[in-house]
Amino acid sequence: DQQVKQNSPSLSVQEGRISILNCDYTNSMFDYFLWYKKYPAEGPTFLISISSIKDKNEDGRFTVFLNKSAKHLSLHIVPSQPGDSAVYFCAASGSTGTASKLTFGTGTRLQVTL
Amino acid sequence: DGGITQSPKYLFRKEGQNVTLSCEQNLNHDAMYWYRQDPGQGLRLIYYSQIVNDFQKGDIAEGYSVSREKKESFPLTVTSAQKNPTAFYLCASSIDHRGARANVLTFGAGSRLTVL
Repeated sequence: DQQVKQNSPSLSVQEGRISILNCDYTNSMFDYFLWYKKYPAEGPTFLISISSIKDKNEDGRFTVFLNKSAKHLSLHIVPSQPGDSAVYFCAASGSTGTASKLTFGTGTRLQVTL
Repeated sequence: DGGITQSPKYLFRKEGQNVTLSCEQNLNHDAMYWYRQDPGQGLRLIYYSQIVNDFQKGDIAEGYSVSREKKESFPLTVTSAQKNPTAFYLCASSIDHRGARANVLTFGAGSRLTVL
């Protein structure tokens, strides 16, 4: 039972354009959401997070939007740069206090082309 | 620089052999985790430890064992009881095991285990 779903395994975007990565979840108990970025042969690194009390969180070129009624979140990267090419994992937690319950999606591979 | 070191990077094992993957952190983090990544699947939690000398099973603990004798170290043993051990293994840590910061994990570079 995949509680966190990233339905697009890959995405290709031109440099300078907006990249939109999507994530859906089924568990209504999730209240904290994170995005991690992974380069080949490296471990994932934390990118940005959002609590369920918010619907938007912004950090530089990266913005995460949360739609609780639709159980959907998205990561926007504007403008996209070649260095953004990586695999992006969406993750969700049932409580801000239980990292052991962090559930990951399957990842979306983003390729930013010149 | 602080971080997590996993070794070996690549490991080959014959069926029936136990192998131990090393994970060391110098971040002074309380909590440590082991995840497994398979193609087309998200990261799945094997074991986690919130404090020294304490650890709990994650979602897929069968066939694995861990220890947490030191704060810095959280080795994972893949035993012969693990039916499908070929995978990419990631070790992670977080500064706390409670609160929002518990969700912000620092990962190692991973160990790829192949069973021949």
